[in-house]
Amino acid sequence: EAGVTQFPSHSVIEKGQTVTLRCDPISGHDNLYWYRRVMGKEIKFLLHFVKESKQDESGMPNNRFLAERTGGTYSTLKVQPAELEDSGVYFCASSPRDTAGELFFGEGSRLTVL
Amino acid sequence: ELKVEQNPLFLSMQEGKNYTIYCNYSTTSDRLYWYRQDPGKSLESLFVLLSNGAVKQEGRLMASLDTKARLSTLHITAAVHDLSATYFCAVDATGTASKLTFGTGTRLQVTL
Repeated sequence: EAGVTQFPSHSVIEKGQTVTLRCDPISGHDNLYWYRRVMGKEIKFLLHFVKESKQDESGMPNNRFLAERTGGTYSTLKVQPAELEDSGVYFCASSPRDTAGELFFGEGSRLTVL
Repeated sequence: ELKVEQNPLFLSMQEGKNYTIYCNYSTTSDRLYWYRQDPGKSLESLFVLLSNGAVKQEGRLMASLDTKARLSTLHITAAVHDLSATYFCAVDATGTASKLTFGTGTRLQVTL
């Protein structure tokens, strides 16, 4: 069974540009999460989808970040325009509908904003 | 706001030795998770602790949860080099596992 996959693994962009990160969850997982780790800091929650609906987006830093989950399958996280402080590793995770809370994480997308 | 503190942040230990990583959190919760991350890899679930007094063991690792003290420990017995990784604890204060608050991580280096 394929795990959570994320693309790209690493993206280097200049300040002001746009980047779109993609996450493919484990097939059949209704729950999809985005987290991010800024250098040297904790891994922080960004948002949670249940199927195609945003359940909780309280962790989204500001309106430069836009997350979507088309048809309840894959998800994208767009940063527009990117700022220096957006640099970090963006993790996607998924879990089945009825879960004890164990999340399955992808390897992350490293974003470097110059 | 829920805060999760891990210590130590960095741990260098010799093979064969025992050690404990501590995870303290600031608000009531009875759901705590331990993850392992190898460099550049995904976070791998190690333990899910869902009640006060829960204890789980897998190989040389044992995790426990004391919800009254708001403390979880990850004990390493007779460390081996393969255990070198970063270990994270994460707390769920929602009760629905929908939003985890992570500790800063403990980078473990096991030397020969």
